[in-house]
Amino acid sequence: DAGITQSPRHKVTETGTPVTLRCHQTENHRYMYWYRQDPGHGLRLIHYSYGVKDTDKGEVSDGYSVSRSKTEDFLLTLESATSSQTSVYFCAISEPGQPEAFFGQGTRLTVV
Amino acid sequence: SQQGEEDPQALSIQEGENATMNCSYKTSINNLQWYRQNSGRGLVHLILIRSNEREKHSGRLRVTLDTSKKSSSLLITASRAADTASYFCAHQTGANNLFFGTGTRLTVIP
Repeated sequence: DAGITQSPRHKVTETGTPVTLRCHQTENHRYMYWYRQDPGHGLRLIHYSYGVKDTDKGEVSDGYSVSRSKTEDFLLTLESATSSQTSVYFCAISEPGQPEAFFGQGTRLTVV
Repeated sequence: SQQGEEDPQALSIQEGENATMNCSYKTSINNLQWYRQNSGRGLVHLILIRSNEREKHSGRLRVTLDTSKKSSSLLITASRAADTASYFCAHQTGANNLFFGTGTRLTVIP
């Protein structure tokens, strides 16, 4: 999967707790993305980053924040997890001028 | 929302048959891409077609794009059991971000 590691792969957490998901890449790609995948909705963009400390909101960013302090790491934080954030989260990377994106294996998050 | 839509949502065919899935989107695009997802895995890029192209081939894959109708189709010929997966279209606008469709679940019966 193109040198992309997501951690953890599975997590169960309680409503109201903060959760951080990590995406680590070894490809030195400049662009990184967080998507969530839900039945009937496909993949929806949460946040993206075009470089270190350069992040922006996607379509479904409410309740999420991100940070990118190094090229290789992109962190997604659920500030106070809710049941509606139960989902599978995917990290993706790409390079400027190369439209193809490469995806990690996903993190299955359950909020109880 | 810039999310695209795909149909059918699910498709079941016999091995050796062709599979066609369709995608629609709402905005002007730079390119349209198709991805495949095996169960429990991440997405894998299959093929890209640019907005100035009408048809593209890659092995058993054929993609068409009609920008006037804002639609695309993916044809998989001579399907195999190993083609069983979910298929997603994704369009890219001026920025680098990809907007995905809702996906088609393809089952190829041996």
